[in-house]
Amino acid sequence: AQSVTQPDIHITVSEGASLELRCNYSYGATPYLFWYVQSPGQGLQLLLKYFSGDTLVQGIKGFEAEFKRSQSSFNLRKPSVHWSDAAEYFCAVGVRLADKLIFGTGTRLQVFP
Amino acid sequence: SQTIHQWPATLVQPVGSPLSLECTVEGTSNPNLYWYRQAAGRGLQLLFYSVGIGQISSEVPQNLSASRPQDRQFILSSKKLLLSDSGFYLCAWSLGGADSPLHFGNGTRLTVT
Repeated sequence: AQSVTQPDIHITVSEGASLELRCNYSYGATPYLFWYVQSPGQGLQLLLKYFSGDTLVQGIKGFEAEFKRSQSSFNLRKPSVHWSDAAEYFCAVGVRLADKLIFGTGTRLQVFP
Repeated sequence: SQTIHQWPATLVQPVGSPLSLECTVEGTSNPNLYWYRQAAGRGLQLLFYSVGIGQISSEVPQNLSASRPQDRQFILSSKKLLLSDSGFYLCAWSLGGADSPLHFGNGTRLTVT
């Protein structure tokens, strides 16, 4: 069955530090992968997506993610975190022929000045 | 451009009372529509999705139901709420296909007392 694992429930970083949020997926075919961000009490906003081609994808707000098939991973990165990046981040995999996304449990990012 | 409206933003209901949450999408035709629930620390759980009027797929057996009376309207209902129904409910739409990103509403915070 398809699944997404985000092993880090909560991450704390200092402003200006680099960031990497981990995501591992389980899927029998080439996956469609997504990262979303959720500010408190709000809906989710799409950061970036991977379908095929270049394994390093760029997104909004200075985020990027790298697809590594051998590791079944799609980690999200940002070279320098801003205080406004504090939020919850969700990784998701698209399930073909089912028109739905399976989400991970999320990683809450806290940024200290 | 497309917009999604979800209401109410917050709701406090007693156990055993009925529920009706509504979601509408503007600016697109025949979207896929989704209801997710987000409980604290448990990520996003897909409850229902619909690929067309009157077509509802249920992901999790429970005392909730969904209906799609019009192309761009999606309703989440319950005849009798349980304490465990408390959570943050998110409606979303997509153009269809596993590679199509979801676009989320701002959510409804439901507290069952």
